[in-house]
Amino acid sequence: EAQVTQNPRYLITVTGKKLTVTCSQNMNHEYMSWYRQDPGLGLRQIYYSMNVEVTDKGDVPEGYKVSRKEKRNFPLILESPSPNQTSLYFCASSSTGGFFGYTFGSGTRLTVV
Amino acid sequence: QKEVEQNSGPLSVPEGAIASLNCTYSDRGSQSFFWYRQYSGKSPELIMFIYSNGDKEDGRFTAQLNKASQYVSLLIRDSQPSDSATYLCAVLHRDDKIIFGKGTRLHILP
Repeated sequence: EAQVTQNPRYLITVTGKKLTVTCSQNMNHEYMSWYRQDPGLGLRQIYYSMNVEVTDKGDVPEGYKVSRKEKRNFPLILESPSPNQTSLYFCASSSTGGFFGYTFGSGTRLTVV
Repeated sequence: QKEVEQNSGPLSVPEGAIASLNCTYSDRGSQSFFWYRQYSGKSPELIMFIYSNGDKEDGRFTAQLNKASQYVSLLIRDSQPSDSATYLCAVLHRDDKIIFGKGTRLHILP
């Protein structure tokens, strides 16, 4: 089944403790992206990647890192999480530069206390 | 500034009626336009995309695009209670970034 898989689905952590949210897709898509979704603010792009070793900042990249060492994987790294990074995170992937839209993962609900 | 604007709703529509959702965007160079449906706590699901002016129909859904007016709409015919969700309009800008609107909450009244 074609899908984008994110882990974990839920995560509660403490301020300053490094964490990684994994994302993997099995559709051989070139484009991958991370979004966060907050009430009243909608979906905002954190980082995106056009292919292996090619990444660029989205609208809200501060406090986040990404890497794209393999085509299928695009992990999101929070080096020192803070409470304002409490949010619902989505990974998404697409072929053809997003022209036909993104396929989203199931989401990761992160709480930083 | 790239913007995608939607009325937040809620939009209440009787079961069986036509639901009409609207969206405007700011970047005239935008390439492709999408409608996503999102149930509470779930991930967005792509239901329609359109890139040429005019109408595109898929089952009960019709997407309409007017590039001159920078306007995209989604019509849902024969609305069902299962259509109750938040509908996100999204736009692919010329820099390959997809920007989302904040969504319109749709409530189908049984």
